[in-house]
Amino acid sequence: GAGVSQSPRYKVAKRGQDVALRCDPISGHVSLFWYQQALGQGPEFLTYFQNEAQLDKSGLPSDRFFAERPEGSVSTLKIQRTQQEDSAVYLCASRGGIPRSPLHFGNGTRLTVT
Amino acid sequence: DAKTTQPNSMESNEEEPVHLPCNHSTISGTDYIHWYRQLPSQGPEYVIHGLTSNVNNRMASLAIAEDRKSSTLILHRATLRDAAVYYCILRGLSQGGSEKLVFGKGTKLTVNP
Repeated sequence: GAGVSQSPRYKVAKRGQDVALRCDPISGHVSLFWYQQALGQGPEFLTYFQNEAQLDKSGLPSDRFFAERPEGSVSTLKIQRTQQEDSAVYLCASRGGIPRSPLHFGNGTRLTVT
Repeated sequence: DAKTTQPNSMESNEEEPVHLPCNHSTISGTDYIHWYRQLPSQGPEYVIHGLTSNVNNRMASLAIAEDRKSSTLILHRATLRDAAVYYCILRGLSQGGSEKLVFGKGTKLTVNP
């Protein structure tokens, strides 16, 4: 079946521009996560949704980062006034409703801020 | 979040077994041990998980020490496709009940032909 889909695959933005990154989770998956992965590092947690509710946003690095999932399916991560330090791969993952079930990751969006 | 310690890198030859170690001396009684791997230019993928007993699946085996302070991921016959970064993660309940994964730097496995 279809996995987690992320778009665009690559995004180049000039410093100061706003960007929007999209995540299509596996159909029916209740939980959705966003991670940020800098070059050579492991993924770092940004935020978590259960259906449309954002239950944990402790990893968002600043108020320039905003995530939404209005209908409990597709999610968008928005970064306002991008900075060079925002350059990274942004990964989305989803999980079904069974406790301890694995996360399924997309292949990410590589954001480069010039 | 409980932390894990893994070697930065390891090498193996194709078709030989690989033992990837992980130390997690501060593990709590409710933490599960999860392993994910990340191939180049891809997102992480689930490999295996366990709580106390050793576990086997089609991808790998997980050997857990009796005191649960360490574990070893075993790839029985490495292939070139197994070259990846392997992450050992302790997974318990967290804020909002998300059971979020906290990644370290992992072990970069190189498989030689």
